[in-house]
Amino acid sequence: NAGVTQTPKFQVLKTGQSMTLQCAQDMNHEYMSWYRQDPGMGLRLIHYSVGAGITDQGEVPNGYNVSRSTTEDFPLRLLSAAPSQTSVYFCASSWTSQETQYFGPGTRLLVL
Amino acid sequence: SQQGEEDPQALSIQEGENATMNCSYKTSINNLQWYRQNSGRGLVHLILIRSNEREKHSGRLRVTLDTSKKSSSLLITASRAADTASYFCATTQGGSEKLVFGKGTKLTVNP
Repeated sequence: NAGVTQTPKFQVLKTGQSMTLQCAQDMNHEYMSWYRQDPGMGLRLIHYSVGAGITDQGEVPNGYNVSRSTTEDFPLRLLSAAPSQTSVYFCASSWTSQETQYFGPGTRLLVL
Repeated sequence: SQQGEEDPQALSIQEGENATMNCSYKTSINNLQWYRQNSGRGLVHLILIRSNEREKHSGRLRVTLDTSKKSSSLLITASRAADTASYFCATTQGGSEKLVFGKGTKLTVNP
């Protein structure tokens, strides 16, 4: 099992550009989530999904879109990148929000 | 807003000493989880304690939960340099599916 994979590992964007951060898991988990981590702020929940076709907003959803067309994939889209979105992004999956979360290695995003 | 808040923000100890970090939360929970993050890496699950449990052990880790005080503590006994990492607690609020993390405690174990 590959677990939770994230691509790319590192990305540089210019303000206004769009991109998609990919997240995939091969554990057949229903629950998937995206977090961003900034220095001194811990992890903040962006969006989460309790199953294919179902998504909901977390603590800091503005500027990000998600979709969940399959159980395996949960991409995060930045429609118009801003410098404030410079961060490290982590994807996680689990059976439910109440169980052990399995994290991907993260994507470092720099918006200039 | 973040549900859990860890205390202290940073902790520096010598190898062999015990390390204690605390987590306070605001509303009722189903369970509370502790995670560890080595610098720049993804988080790794350490232990989960359910709301009807008061104490749980895993190796050198001991977690307590006091629902009346809305707080939990993580004790690492006989610490090692390899325990140097950031430690986070995570909870869901009541019936919510949102799993939110605190800001973490940065532990440094000096050899």
